[in-house]
Amino acid sequence: DIQMTQSPSSLSASVGDRVTITCRASQSISAYVNWYQQKPEKAPKLLIYAASILQSGVPSRFSGSGSGTDFSLTISSLQPEDFATYYCQQSYSTPYTFGQGTKLEIK
Amino acid sequence: QVQLQESGPGLVKPSQTLSLTCTVSGGSISSGDYYWNWIRQHPGKGLEWIGYIYYSGSTYYNPSLKSRLTISRDTSKNQFSLKLSSVTAADTAVYYCARRIEAGLGGRDYFDYWGQGSLVTVSS
Repeated sequence: DIQMTQSPSSLSASVGDRVTITCRASQSISAYVNWYQQKPEKAPKLLIYAASILQSGVPSRFSGSGSGTDFSLTISSLQPEDFATYYCQQSYSTPYTFGQGTKLEIK
Repeated sequence: QVQLQESGPGLVKPSQTLSLTCTVSGGSISSGDYYWNWIRQHPGKGLEWIGYIYYSGSTYYNPSLKSRLTISRDTSKNQFSLKLSSVTAADTAVYYCARRIEAGLGGRDYFDYWGQGSLVTVSS
């Protein structure tokens, strides 16, 4: 199985900050990485697919980059509604696997 | 707009079979090039992909669960289902159904629609 390792596991930041979450795959997976946002008691919501493509309706402050084994999700200017848990996921091969999550909290 | 909704018992006894159904509206599970998935999340933990049924009816399971798992569908009701046998407390989780799309090359392969989730507790 491909392991997806996110860092940091948690992050405290303020409204207006720029934050970056990273995800490392245990093998090269080209651009087969997706990013999801999950709020408490809610289903994950797709933000970014194919490493860098913004899902329709997602604010442009979210961006993704990377290829191969190293990927990142950046929020350019944090808004109050962005405090949530973020997951990366690889769709390169089955079984599809997720990172352990990064919890973004208000400082 | 595609919508998915999980349903099923919230409490299952150890060694019994966990059964959940996902009802899809806004699109047919037997048309289009989509994969209909189950994903679970243990309390306070990350996400684990369970398996899928393809629009054609073929299935693929996570090897870690394969021996206990069956995913099936009822096209007349536009539903797909999960059965997980011989459950233990380790199967306690929120179970999500989700649609996966392969939208071309270059990594365009993702879960775009999710149900709200169904908490299943395994306890006597």
